[in-house]
Amino acid sequence: KNEVEQSPQNLTAQEGEFITINCSYSVGISALHWLQQHPGGGIVSLFMLSSGKKKHGRLIATINIQEKHSSLHITASHPRDSAVYICAVTYGGSQGNLIFGKGTKLSVKP
Amino acid sequence: KAGVTQTPRYLIKTRGQQVTLSCSPISGHRSVSWYQQTPGQGLQFLFEYFSETQRNKGNFPGRFSGRQFSNSRSEMNVSTLELGDSALYLCASSLAGNSEVNEQFFGPGTRLTVL
Repeated sequence: KNEVEQSPQNLTAQEGEFITINCSYSVGISALHWLQQHPGGGIVSLFMLSSGKKKHGRLIATINIQEKHSSLHITASHPRDSAVYICAVTYGGSQGNLIFGKGTKLSVKP
Repeated sequence: KAGVTQTPRYLIKTRGQQVTLSCSPISGHRSVSWYQQTPGQGLQFLFEYFSETQRNKGNFPGRFSGRQFSNSRSEMNVSTLELGDSALYLCASSLAGNSEVNEQFFGPGTRLTVL
């Protein structure tokens, strides 16, 4: 059983729609990361958070430690947001060791 | 500031050969982590080096090894290549000290094909 579960696996949206991607994990963590991977393989770190909420432009990430759940929201989605979004966690004592979810493939249609 | 660089970007090898991949972290970053990405297994942690010492290791066979140099550059080696080793190999660097968790910055990856 994967320790990090993401949903949905695939998501198609129309340009301008509000998008939510969910992530749940099974045990206590030090930090949760949201990553973006475009075709070709490059991975960009979007957020790293251990509590509360962070916002960067049209992207918002929230985490609920008690419920072991995080969400990534994209407001006013755009075709350039099309990518795979990956949730990953770091457990205590394993600073450089990320455990990854399977990813959510997002396609935003114009 | 230059990002994380990986060389080579693409590599084709045959079964039984060995391969060495290189990763240069962002200047000042002392931690380098290596990951393998395959369509079937997704992203998996290989190992992490910090100050020339392997700090964490994932669940991979001993054919996968690595090292880190005094300038924080890191190499990973895969011996006796198998078809299943075909994957995108990513490295990531971070400031990561002894206790805190830091954001990881990923390189572009090396795509290894084993024939």
